[in-house]
Amino acid sequence: GNSVTQMEGPVTLSEEAFLTINCTYTATGYPSLFWYVQYPGEGLQLLLKATKADDKGSNKGFEATYRKETTSFHLEKGSVQVSDSAVYFCALSANNAGNMLTFGGGTRLMVKP
Amino acid sequence: EAGVAQSPRYKIIEKRQSVAFWCNPISGHATLYWYQQILGQGPKLLIQFQNNGVVDDSQLPKDRFSAERLKGVDSTLKIQPAKLEDSAVYLCASSFRGQGSDEQYFGPGTRLTVT
Repeated sequence: GNSVTQMEGPVTLSEEAFLTINCTYTATGYPSLFWYVQYPGEGLQLLLKATKADDKGSNKGFEATYRKETTSFHLEKGSVQVSDSAVYFCALSANNAGNMLTFGGGTRLMVKP
Repeated sequence: EAGVAQSPRYKIIEKRQSVAFWCNPISGHATLYWYQQILGQGPKLLIQFQNNGVVDDSQLPKDRFSAERLKGVDSTLKIQPAKLEDSAVYLCASSFRGQGSDEQYFGPGTRLTVT
């Protein structure tokens, strides 16, 4: 079946540090890949997505590249801010499973001033 | 554009009681999803509707959970009877067409505590 594995947290960084959150997936066919973010006290919201191999999704300074050869979709940001503190979820949507999202376990990011 | 609405936001019940959650998706969205998010885990799909038909309910514990979307708009999710392990946040989401690359928009969730 489909699955997503992401690095466990919490990840604690100082402001302006470089961020990488690893995500790998298992799926049949050609899934779409997503990063969702959950800020404290708020609902899940889409951060970025990529729908085919070698696509790069980007938003708010965050980037992730769809790597089919390594089945990965790592999230990166060059300089994190305190306001980036949240829980980040990697997810996939496989065409052989309707449009349901399969989520990873989430990674909590804490950015200190 | 109004987002996905859910109510109640919080609910505390005793085990073996019943509970119902309500969801109103974004206007015009054909596809509606219910997810269960246990503390410290990612959301897990319970059921997916396309208009008022069920697309996938393979992970719905049908002996105690039921869901309906009678007019293809609002939806309710019911648990009867509740167990301690049902304590979780229940998330409703909707998307325009229900295709693989579509963004799903999530509501704020209902936090259920079963004591």
